[in-house]
Amino acid sequence: QLQLQESGPGLVKPSETLSLTCTVSGGSISSSSYYWGWVRQPPGEGLEWIGSIYYSGSTYYNPSLKSRVTISVDMPKNQFSLQLISVTAADTTVYYCARVPMGLGFDFWGQGTLVTVSS
Amino acid sequence: DIQMTQSPSSLSASVGDRVTITCRASQGISNYLAWFQQKPGKAPKSLIYAASSLQSGVPSKFSGSGSGTDFTLTISSLQPEDFATYYCQQYHSYPYTFGQGTQLDIQ
Repeated sequence: QLQLQESGPGLVKPSETLSLTCTVSGGSISSSSYYWGWVRQPPGEGLEWIGSIYYSGSTYYNPSLKSRVTISVDMPKNQFSLQLISVTAADTTVYYCARVPMGLGFDFWGQGTLVTVSS
Repeated sequence: DIQMTQSPSSLSASVGDRVTITCRASQGISNYLAWFQQKPGKAPKSLIYAASSLQSGVPSKFSGSGSGTDFTLTISSLQPEDFATYYCQQYHSYPYTFGQGTQLDIQ
């Protein structure tokens, strides 16, 4: 059974960099059938797509975050990662990683991790 | 960006009821539309992709329809575990966008 697990600091200071990793188990991140993505959700609010990556390294980012976001993939570790620079309180949200089958939307999701931006 | 608008924003229903949630896209997205269920404190759960195809393991009480700009999610014979927030999402073009959500409460 495929599982995705987010990991990283739960507290980040304003203006610093948020870094999260999604570890994929039960499947290969190098499969040609899938993208891998990040989605975030402020507490009590809706969902926002951050970006997606293919195992080859091709990336797509939400223009609203593009200047601050980098998504990368580490095939030997079967992981992909999110970096968000220059964070503010507005970046305090739950961050989810997810698998994105080509042409089929998201199917499997991680449990999510809350990141709080505060000094 | 493609805007996704769900209606209603909230809905009260009783166990055993059948409910329908609507999602409208600001431009045509063919059938590149997914539906998710989310319970408090939990990750979204994928229900439907390609507007009307059920994800593996999702019961047939959930059904989706539509194409172009107008889509619906119907849930039949509501059970207590179905009361949650439902989101639509388009994956026709980047940036992927979600509806604002429909909160389904027990009446």
